[in-house]
Amino acid sequence: SQQGEEDPQALSIQEGENATMNCSYKTSINNLQWYRQNSGRGLVHLILIRSNEREKHSGRLRVTLDTSKKSSSLLITASRAADTASYFCATGPDTGRRALTFGSGTRLQVQP
Amino acid sequence: NAGVTQTPKFQVLKTGQSMTLQCAQDMNHNSMYWYRQDPGMGLRLIYYSASEGTTDKGEVPNGYNVSRLNKREFSLRLESAAPSQTSVYFCASSEGPVPNGYTFGSGTRLTVV
Repeated sequence: SQQGEEDPQALSIQEGENATMNCSYKTSINNLQWYRQNSGRGLVHLILIRSNEREKHSGRLRVTLDTSKKSSSLLITASRAADTASYFCATGPDTGRRALTFGSGTRLQVQP
Repeated sequence: NAGVTQTPKFQVLKTGQSMTLQCAQDMNHNSMYWYRQDPGMGLRLIYYSASEGTTDKGEVPNGYNVSRLNKREFSLRLESAAPSQTSVYFCASSEGPVPNGYTFGSGTRLTVV
């Protein structure tokens, strides 16, 4: 079963707009990560937020984490056509299996 | 710096055939992973190796075996391929067993007919 569920499944916006993707998970975590996948390629690590952090920034990316609601959001500001990709959240557990569990992803289309 | 290299990139198998997917990393990472990606289902963990000499089952291990040949290489074997194993397979690596960020290979697209 998927630990992370992402919302929306697909998102289409205009260049320059902001894009927000949400991720919910079920069990306690050590950290939560976001990855990007361009069509036909491998995943690329974007950003990691630890369970004791609430917000993190990296360039045009802003990630928030609410462990009480078991949810996270990824905000991409001033989007560009090159941001078109699928975005996945992944949770790192604090116990048990030492591997990430991935969500089903959000497909982002940025129209030029 | 190649990162994570997977071979082959594409493969077509007949039902019942066997094959090994190869993965090698040159970042001196301790941990390595195999995932499969099916449409609409994200990535599911098949097997992982937290350190050289250890392997553990993931979410969907049935029909697969793995070998951590050395620190650099982690192979995935399909002994008797089935159409349900048609998927894109990704290998990844990370510095330690607490995954602080994976480096992924470019994937192997496998079709079983």
